Amino acid sequence: KQEVTQIPAALSVPEGENLVLNCSFTDSAIYNLQWFRQDPGKGLTSLLLIQSSQREQTSGRLNASLDKSSGRSTLYIAASQPGDSATYLCASAGNMLTFGGGTRLMVKP
Amino acid sequence: DTAVSQTPKYLVTQMGNDKSIKCEQNLGHDTMYWYKQDSKKFLKIMFSYNNKELIINETVPNRFSPKSPDKAHLNLHINSLELGDSAVYFCASSRGGGASSYNEQFFGPGTRLTVL
Repeated sequence: KQEVTQIPAALSVPEGENLVLNCSFTDSAIYNLQWFRQDPGKGLTSLLLIQSSQREQTSGRLNASLDKSSGRSTLYIAASQPGDSATYLCASAGNMLTFGGGTRLMVKP
Repeated sequence: DTAVSQTPKYLVTQMGNDKSIKCEQNLGHDTMYWYKQDSKKFLKIMFSYNNKELIINETVPNRFSPKSPDKAHLNLHINSLELGDSAVYFCASSRGGGASSYNEQFFGPGTRLTVL
């Protein structure tokens, strides 16, 4: 059964820093990997989806990488801003989405 | 326009009651899902429906019964509510899908259920 782990569970950085969020999964037989953002009391917003045949995807200041062989994905956020404060979730897609526990990010002005 | 909508946003009820949560998507998607997010923020799939047919049913008490009147709707009915049912329930939808493939999922805003 797929297990997805996210490290760290919480992260606090000053504005402007570049940061990396980590996601690991136990079963490499996935279709793709998806990164989401969840704001307090809100739903999930899809940030990036990396197909299993791809190595990375970029959207603005966000870059997500995928290494299926090692069971890892990273989300890189460049020049962090207070508006980036949220919980970031990764999810591996086999026949269904399996979510990690999330990383709570706080970017301080 | 809201892509995936849920009603109600908040639901507070007593133990033992029966309640329903409604979900609608206007994306023309074939597959809809229900997820539960517990107090520790872990999100887990409960059900998946493709073209009104159940394709995924994780280990969920049979007090939970999804109902899909058409492709655009997947409602969640819960009988005999228990304290442990308190959570945020998210609906999602995707194009295509099914048990052997995966397409990007779009989530609703969630319904916060509190059982007293």
